[in-house]
Amino acid sequence: DQQVKQNSPSLSVQEGRISILNCDYTNSMFDYFLWYKKYPAEGPTFLISISSIKDKNEDGRFTVFLNKSAKHLSLHIVPSQPGDSAVYFCAASDGGTSYGKLTFGQGTILTVHP
Amino acid sequence: NAGVMQNPRHLVRRRGQEARLRCSPMKGHSHVYWYRQLPEEGLKFMVYLQKENIIDESGMPKERFSAEFPKEGPSILRIQQVVRGDSAAYFCASSPTSGRTNIQYFGAGTRLSVL
Repeated sequence: DQQVKQNSPSLSVQEGRISILNCDYTNSMFDYFLWYKKYPAEGPTFLISISSIKDKNEDGRFTVFLNKSAKHLSLHIVPSQPGDSAVYFCAASDGGTSYGKLTFGQGTILTVHP
Repeated sequence: NAGVMQNPRHLVRRRGQEARLRCSPMKGHSHVYWYRQLPEEGLKFMVYLQKENIIDESGMPKERFSAEFPKEGPSILRIQQVVRGDSAAYFCASSPTSGRTNIQYFGAGTRLSVL
């Protein structure tokens, strides 16, 4: 039962352009969403998060958008840089009985070409 | 401020042996989580612990796997009688006791290979 889905296994973008990574979820109890970046042989690094009471959160080049009615969130990176090349995971949690447990998507490999 | 420390980084075991994975949370964090990542997959939640307490172990396999977070020392994920299917990357995360408690910070992982 894949409650968090990242349907694009990979994304290729030119340096300086916008990268848009998408994530869908099915569990309406999820109320907090996070994006992590992961390089090979390293652990995931926290990027940005958003609570379900908001529809947008911005931090520098990274913006996360949440559409609760569509159960969809996206991460925008602008401008994209070669150092952004990594695997990006979205994750979700609910504040109820499953507090503390993050449910991850399968990841999207982002490649930013110079 | 040191991050989440996991050791060993790589662990090789033969089938039937025991594997012990250690995790020291970030300073000031009292919540520890363990996740497993199989090849080409996302991270899967295993267990959530606070000091001396298991809060949620809904992702732990029913047999051979156990976890603890003692009052002193690191959290330990223990796998008894390992099988080839246990080969994976195991990640530990921690979160703070107050403030942004929803954000989990990850260690570099332990890559377990079962021969």
